[in-house]
This record gives sequence, structure tokens and C-alpha cells, in this order.
Amino acid sequence: GAVVSQHPSWVICKSGTSVKIECRSLDFQATTMFWYRQFPKQSLMLMATSNEGSKATYEQGVEKDKFLINHASLTLSTLTVTSAHPEDSSFYICSAATIGTGMNTEAFFGQGTRLTVV
Amino acid sequence: AQSVTQLDSQVPVFEEAPVELRCNYSSSVSVYLFWYVQYPNQGLQLLLKYLSGSTLVESINGFEAEFNKSQTSFHLRKPSVHISDTAEYFCAVSVVGGYNKLIFGAGTRLAVHP
Repeated sequence: GAVVSQHPSWVICKSGTSVKIECRSLDFQATTMFWYRQFPKQSLMLMATSNEGSKATYEQGVEKDKFLINHASLTLSTLTVTSAHPEDSSFYICSAATIGTGMNTEAFFGQGTRLTVV
Repeated sequence: AQSVTQLDSQVPVFEEAPVELRCNYSSSVSVYLFWYVQYPNQGLQLLLKYLSGSTLVESINGFEAEFNKSQTSFHLRKPSVHISDTAEYFCAVSVVGGYNKLIFGAGTRLAVHP
């Protein structure tokens, strides 16, 4: 159980275009999903917290108009990189929080999306 | 605010040797502690976690970590490593009741050589 699927696993796009990444919890409901970015040979940096049915909460320094997050249902959150530029090339990973256990002690990660902007 | 420090960016070791990957954290509130492993071009896999209770936690593949509150550490150890353990290891914390928002350390690259 507790499987999180991210799609696509990799994408190449032209500079100036937009790219949408999906994060789905396959066998549980997640009221909260997190989006992280990882640059080569670096750690994961939290970009935003996505709450079902409400606006996402962005970390300091993350442009909310550039990284659009939608969490329309309890099993799906999307990250759209708008007007992508080469510096947006990175590995994007989502995680989903379990609910219903009363403890919320573990986040489950998707397999990540490698974005390359050319 | 919380922070995580992984003292070693790279740890080279020979196969079947013991290894310790160090992790220290800073927090003014209670935290949960995690170790994740990341293989090349893949997502993160949970290796082990400390929530409460016994300070020594173990994974199914031979890793263990010990929570030391006085030293605010959560070092990861394995008595005998394999080539297949070569990967990036991340230590992370989340605030108790903070709904799984993770703060990661910079990561330690474990390179196991034959």
C-alpha cells in the first residue's frame, strides 16, 4: 500500500513552454502533498505544500506564478512549470501524507520527474 | 525552524566493511527522524524512521540508526556493506504533528568499492 505515482518520469521541453507534472496517490487519500526540487548533486528543497481544495503554500523564494500547483482531489496534485527556462531544469519529486491513522508519521514519495528545458 | 546537517558529503568504503553516515539535527520542538535512500535517477525510498520508543531502529536490509537526544544525532550504520548499497542517503526530520513536511540534509554519497 501507500503508493505514489508521478507522471511523466522525464520530459524535455522548449524554453518558454509550460509543463505539467502529476502526482497521484494510488491507494490512499492524501489531503496534503508536497513538492520538492532537487538540483544535481544537491538535496531536496521543499517548494510548496499542496492542500486539497485550497491554495498551495509556497516556501520563501519560490515563485507561485511560475510554479502553479493544483490539488483538485484527494488523490491528485499537479505542478505546472509555466514559461519554463533552462534554469528550471531539475528533478521534481512529490510526496503525499497519509491520513486516517491519527499519527501522520510518514510521507510517501513519487519516483520523480526529470525536467530538461532546452 | 528545523535544520539537518549531514557531516560527510561522500563516504567511500570497501565492500564488507562497516560504515557510519552521520546526521545531526536542530529543532526547538519534538521531531520525527528519517533516513531515505536514493538510487540514480530515482525517487526516495524510506530506509528507516524514529518516531518514539526504542532509540535504536533497524531496516530490513541491515541498516540501523540510533536516536541520541542529548547529542541531537541520528547516525546511520551498517556492519557490512555491499556494492548494491552504493547510493545517496538523506537524513530528514519532520515536526511532530507537522503533517510530514520534511526538512532534508544535504545528503551523503555512499560509494562501496570491491
